[in-house]
Amino acid sequence: DTGVSQNPRHKITKRGQNVTFRCDPISEHNRLYWYRQTLGQGPEFLTYFQNEAQLEKSRLLSDRFSAERPKGSFSTLEIQRTEQGDSAMYLCASSLARRGNDNEQFFGPGTRLTVL
Amino acid sequence: KNQVEQSPQSLIILEGKNCTLQCNYTVSPFSNLRWYKQDTGRGPVSLTIMTFSENTKSNGRYTATLDADTKQSSLHITASQLSDSASYICVVGLSGGSYIPTFGRGTSLIVHP
Repeated sequence: DTGVSQNPRHKITKRGQNVTFRCDPISEHNRLYWYRQTLGQGPEFLTYFQNEAQLEKSRLLSDRFSAERPKGSFSTLEIQRTEQGDSAMYLCASSLARRGNDNEQFFGPGTRLTVL
Repeated sequence: KNQVEQSPQSLIILEGKNCTLQCNYTVSPFSNLRWYKQDTGRGPVSLTIMTFSENTKSNGRYTATLDADTKQSSLHITASQLSDSASYICVVGLSGGSYIPTFGRGTSLIVHP
């Protein structure tokens, strides 16, 4: 399977714990995006990387959230001191930025986080 | 403020019937508009993409239209199937160097047998 993969698919944690999610993009894609989606809503942008550089972060990304893409391949999203309001689906997408390319984003299956 | 509004919020139809979903946007400067299908518990999958100069695009039983003057798009589904039950999300991309598209909230479609 050469699509975007995310792990774990589901995570249940207690309030106050830290969690980390992983995203493996399509191998040749240089851009990687993180989104958060709650029930009945569209995805909300959190942050994106071009190669290993984090180029933009949403105001939604509080100090408890941190994302890395150390080698320009896979990425991790960590949430510290989780709160019940963090419960959501966390989606990762990747795209290939190239002249004349429409920058289509390919999404992974998401990680469903439940904070008890 | 860049916004994408979709209607209806939800829709229930019988298998075999046609339906049309609407998307209005205020995103500027406009680059492209995509319709995504998102099955429950899955990530979105692209159905169609249209740029400023295109006013219709088909993908099987899905046909998208774009009126860049009125900033409206529609997604028409012909001869619906049970597998069409999903959320359909309209996404508008910006030109000028921003790579963060604006997402609508989606229309939840349920197809009943």
